[in-house]
Amino acid sequence: KNQVEQSPQSLIILEGKNCTLQCNYTVSPFSNLRWYKQDTGRGPVSLTIMTFSENTKSNGRYTATLDADTKQSSLHITASQLSDSASYICVVKGSTLGRLYFGRGTQLTVWP
Amino acid sequence: DSGVTQTPKHLITATGQRVTLRCSPRSGDLSVYWYQQSLDQGLQFLIQYYNGEERAKGNILERFSAQQFPDLHSELNLSSLELGDSALYFCASSNPLGRLGYTFGSGTRLTVV
Repeated sequence: KNQVEQSPQSLIILEGKNCTLQCNYTVSPFSNLRWYKQDTGRGPVSLTIMTFSENTKSNGRYTATLDADTKQSSLHITASQLSDSASYICVVKGSTLGRLYFGRGTQLTVWP
Repeated sequence: DSGVTQTPKHLITATGQRVTLRCSPRSGDLSVYWYQQSLDQGLQFLIQYYNGEERAKGNILERFSAQQFPDLHSELNLSSLELGDSALYFCASSNPLGRLGYTFGSGTRLTVV
């Protein structure tokens, strides 16, 4: 069964600290993996997209890694800011029919 | 502004009623996707249209239907509404190459009372 599991479910960190969010998937065959940031009540916004051959991709203070062999990805946030408080969603696109599989997200709260 | 426009932003209606949600995709995008996000739930794929034709179906109830018009805007029709249909409904669009990913609208918050 194609699934995307994210951990932790929620996370609280202090402003300025770093954190890492995890995503494990079983989707096969695999096309690409995306990380989205979703502010409360808003639509998800794309942070990174990685294909099978890409191991690391950065977008400002966000760095995503992908290990296609172990089917694991991580999103590292550096020097967190209050505005980073949001849900971070891992989305895996399967090669068959291009179907997207969504994780349930990690709810990140950054405290001052 | 993501370029994907959804209306209305909020909708409150009674059980048993029918509503229509509207989505205008980003300029140049041919694909439109509809998702449902219930409280504390992940995004659930409902249906995809590509250039006016249904391309894929997800967990869409028979009470729900959608269509994409020649101008590429899409409508999601929800009928015989139940309390459990209360959720955020997102529309996303993607370009033909799909390399820029999916762009989501801001969503329509539906509350069924």
